[in-house]
Amino acid sequence: DVKVTQSSRYLVKRTGEKVFLECVQDMDHENMFWYRQDPGLGLRLIYFSYDVKMKEKGDIPEGYSVSREKKERFSLILESASTNQTSMYLCASSRTGFGKNIQYFGAGTRLSVL
Amino acid sequence: TQLLEQSPQFLSIQEGENLTVYCNSSSVFSSLQWYRQEPGEGPVLLVTVVTGGEVKKLKRLTFQFGDARKDSSLHITAAQPGDTGLYLCAGPRNEKLTFGTGTRLTIIP
Repeated sequence: DVKVTQSSRYLVKRTGEKVFLECVQDMDHENMFWYRQDPGLGLRLIYFSYDVKMKEKGDIPEGYSVSREKKERFSLILESASTNQTSMYLCASSRTGFGKNIQYFGAGTRLSVL
Repeated sequence: TQLLEQSPQFLSIQEGENLTVYCNSSSVFSSLQWYRQEPGEGPVLLVTVVTGGEVKKLKRLTFQFGDARKDSSLHITAAQPGDTGLYLCAGPRNEKLTFGTGTRLTIIP
């Protein structure tokens, strides 16, 4: 059974804090993604990684950075959290090649920045 | 940027009724996917439609891809409370996906 695990279901942080969101997948997938989900806006891509140490900006990268030191782990970093980063954050992974566009998601991290 | 607009944004109906939700774009997609996201969980893939005009059935759910591959619809027959969730369409762009705005469906017992 495929699994994408996000380290926290809920997080509460203060403005200006550095925040780490962790994601681990056990499917040996090459691609990993971070999205934020807001009502009425669907899922918006923050960053995408297609290999270890490789990353590509998504549609809304401002205020975020990422790290992928190992194939199975993809971290999202908020260098200085702001209230407008309060949201649901979803991590996903997919393989390359055949079936490449099927994404498998974690359960999400609901982040509140006060 | 390829955009996917879904309608309606919210839908609340009685158990046993039929419903259709829509996913529209001005761009052509090579395929479209439908995901369902239940409360407290991440989205899960339901189906991928690939050919223009294609119809796929998944029990009481019928998915159709438009002839011009710019739109798709999801029809649910005799809705059940277990169908409650957020329905998202998504279209591929290289290794990534563009997601629609979502339809939040609530089935009232």
